[in-house]
Amino acid sequence: DAKTTQPNSMESNEEEPVHLPCNHSTISGTDYIHWYRQLPSQGPEYVIHGLTSNVNNRMASLAIAEDRKSSTLILHRATLRDAAVYYCILRDRSNFGNEKLTFGTGTRLTIIP
Amino acid sequence: DAGITQSPRHKVTETGTPVTLRCHQTENHRYMYWYRQDPGHGLRLIHYSYGVKDTDKGEVSDGYSVSRSKTEDFLLTLESATSSQTSVYFCAIKSRDTANEKLFFGSGTQLSVL
Repeated sequence: DAKTTQPNSMESNEEEPVHLPCNHSTISGTDYIHWYRQLPSQGPEYVIHGLTSNVNNRMASLAIAEDRKSSTLILHRATLRDAAVYYCILRDRSNFGNEKLTFGTGTRLTIIP
Repeated sequence: DAGITQSPRHKVTETGTPVTLRCHQTENHRYMYWYRQDPGHGLRLIHYSYGVKDTDKGEVSDGYSVSRSKTEDFLLTLESATSSQTSVYFCAIKSRDTANEKLFFGSGTQLSVL
């Protein structure tokens, strides 16, 4: 399975935009890019996903590089409730019957009041 | 809320005893997963199920078994618990067999093996 690389931790000031990077240089043409986040003492929750084009939803935006070897999750105006561990994972749409759904260690985002 | 419940939420047990964790869903989803989460390791897949009585191993399946006798319940059993199995266990579900489909996670079970 293709791997992702994320920084271990990041800090951001409250009410400022946050850009969380993810490298996936071995991504295949059939891989979707998914982002999840895990708030303290909770299970992970879905944030956003995309394939080739940039995506927006009420939680965040996902910017995907033209060569798809990297992506960036954008929180437009971070709040204290956005403090969490953010996971970037790849999901192979050609192999979803045997999807292992492996997660890395993610990026721990700290929001500074 | 995807209607997923894990029980118990917390459990303390002794080494060598059997332990069963339960994941219950109310949405009739086909796919269910068990993960463990340890500091420095993120989430690691233990076992997953793609239907009733259909299960397969994940990356850290040694020491664990699973059963799925009905759609709504996916049980994780530690036949003889060891201290290395002290962890937080998460169940996840997805409804369809597509990479577009979201995963929904339970709130987790904190297991301590003394």
